[in-house]
Amino acid sequence: KAGVTQTPRYLIKTRGQQVTLSCSPISGHRSVSWYQQTPGQGLQFLFEYFSETQRNKGNFPGRFSGRQFSNSRSEMNVSTLELGDSALYLCASSLEPADNSPLHFGNGTRLTVT
Amino acid sequence: AQKITQTQPGMFVQEKEAVTLDCTYDTSDPSYGLFWYKQPSSGEMIFLIYQGSYDQQNATEGRYSLNFQKARKSANLVISASQLGDSAMYFCAMREPIIQGAQKLVFGQGTRLTINP
Repeated sequence: KAGVTQTPRYLIKTRGQQVTLSCSPISGHRSVSWYQQTPGQGLQFLFEYFSETQRNKGNFPGRFSGRQFSNSRSEMNVSTLELGDSALYLCASSLEPADNSPLHFGNGTRLTVT
Repeated sequence: AQKITQTQPGMFVQEKEAVTLDCTYDTSDPSYGLFWYKQPSSGEMIFLIYQGSYDQQNATEGRYSLNFQKARKSANLVISASQLGDSAMYFCAMREPIIQGAQKLVFGQGTRLTINP
């Protein structure tokens, strides 16, 4: 069974640009979450989608947005990039929410903003 | 608000020794889940083990076991017979109570484990 696939693996953008990251969950998983990882702030929750609906959102500005498609694939978008947006962005998928259902993560997309 | 604390920024262990990675948590909710993840230099977060707040026994998965002390609010990861491939960052995480189906993990700052040959 294929794992969580994130594309692209690496991305270099300039301040003010926008970027779209893609995530394909494990087959059969309908919940997709996004996390930002930086050396200073660690791992922080961005948002979670289930059945094309955003169910939970972290404490990030409106420049960060996302969506989920009917096939459970998800995209996240960051507009008007800032230097501080440089980070590893991790996508995770899981089955129906259940207490012992782990989140399975992808390899991440490493975004560098110059 | 939920909080996870990992007090060991780095640990160095000899190959084949057992190692314990510390994790304490803070929550006022009676229902929660605790996870441990391994992150090699490649970046992928690999799920290792899960412990539910109502589980009576400590979780075990192969060489990994979780020393769950609910009264102390600690969930330490124990790796038996460490291997060179265990060198990585290790994160303890807590799942907040599932509200309306939504789920979110709160992570600790991580412990960088280095296994020496």
